[in-house]
Amino acid sequence: GQQLNQSPQSMFIQEGEDVSMNCTSSSIFNTWLWYKQDPGEGPVLLIALYKAGELTSNGRLTAQFGITRKDSFLNISASIPSDVGIYFCAGQVDTGKLIFGQGTTLQVKP
Amino acid sequence: SAVISQKPSRDICQRGTSLTIQCQVDSQVTMMFWYRQQPGQSLTLIATANQGSEATYESGFVIDKFPISRPNLTFSTLTVSNMSPEDSSIYLCSVARGRNQPQHFGDGTRLSIL
Repeated sequence: GQQLNQSPQSMFIQEGEDVSMNCTSSSIFNTWLWYKQDPGEGPVLLIALYKAGELTSNGRLTAQFGITRKDSFLNISASIPSDVGIYFCAGQVDTGKLIFGQGTTLQVKP
Repeated sequence: SAVISQKPSRDICQRGTSLTIQCQVDSQVTMMFWYRQQPGQSLTLIATANQGSEATYESGFVIDKFPISRPNLTFSTLTVSNMSPEDSSIYLCSVARGRNQPQHFGDGTRLSIL
């Protein structure tokens, strides 16, 4: 079945540093989405990407939909302590269902 | 985005029992989904809840174990039947306004089976 490979699995960085994480797949997706999950809560949508090559920003977050439609990356600039959490990529297929990556756990040292 | 309410938020259950989880949305949505998130893991789709008809289940999930109802465009339930400790997970409801629209999630139901 379809799978997403998300890396890195975890990151421990200093406050103020930039962060980059990515997802790759052997399958093509119509839409790529990035979510953040805090403890005790459901995933919250950060960015949605709809076209191959699309580059979208949301504040300090920037994400791109790979030109092959098989990959995406998320960058966080100038990290702050509240960026701590688990970040998930997800690819969306024609039926609307999402395939999730394994997640990247981000820890930020003040 | 829509406000999604899940009940209960958590529960501790005895093995062999069943629990029904509710998902209520404050506006009509086309798509509703149910996911499972095992401890420390990512999200896995259980099924797509179809309004007025049987849910569409993913490989590895069956209706007898996870019966789903969706009587209208704002409400769905997931039942976890004949529970065992392996069913201890977070169960999450998500909604989308259309097939190609992004999904938004409730806060989940944290289920522990003793």
